Amino acid sequence: GESVGLHLPTLSVQEGDNSIINCAYSNSASDYFIWYKQESGKGPQFIIDIRSNMDKRQGQRVTVLLNKTVKHLSLQIAATQPGDSAVYFCAENPNDYKLSFGAGTTVTVRA
Amino acid sequence: DAGITQSPRYKITETGRQVTLMCHQTWSHSYMFWYRQDLGHGLRLIYYSAAADITDKGEVPDGYVVSRSKTENFPLTLESATRSQTSVYFCASSDQGADQPQHFGDGTRLSIL
Repeated sequence: GESVGLHLPTLSVQEGDNSIINCAYSNSASDYFIWYKQESGKGPQFIIDIRSNMDKRQGQRVTVLLNKTVKHLSLQIAATQPGDSAVYFCAENPNDYKLSFGAGTTVTVRA
Repeated sequence: DAGITQSPRYKITETGRQVTLMCHQTWSHSYMFWYRQDLGHGLRLIYYSAAADITDKGEVPDGYVVSRSKTENFPLTLESATRSQTSVYFCASSDQGADQPQHFGDGTRLSIL
């Protein structure tokens, strides 16, 4: 599968491989983190979230990992499919109303 | 169908005009949010509302006005549009603040000439 050590704006992955999208967050006080998927012409769509008292959470074909020591969040997509092509955003909650969004990673799935 | 809808989907207007973007949600969520999305800036919060008749500023509120007379509606008004307000605007709602998933509409693409 594809993996990136630092946040990159684009990720190209072969269909069927696993994808890993990385995100660094900035506020050590953030206690809630969320991943969104945005397809062209649509609004961000919720994928999975995780609270700071956890370090891993799994959904359907997706896993989010949280490393609070280095303020790092990752999204793993298993068996990447063409429909996974989109922009993926991470967001953190540094206070009780605001979500701060990352710059986004564009994932392209190669057939 | 339940969900969050924004209207219009596309709008072209001229500098100095007033324009209102509409947002309607059927979940009875307490919180509603307005964001703008621009290349190089990601999603930035304009205004948010914790309940009917309660609104507050986000990161980039200047030039915008909001109201929330009913829980389900959260219109955003540009009182005198400027070219710098050309953007894609997203409305979102959540049941409880920002520590729950926010659910987004499909956006309004606004062009100001």
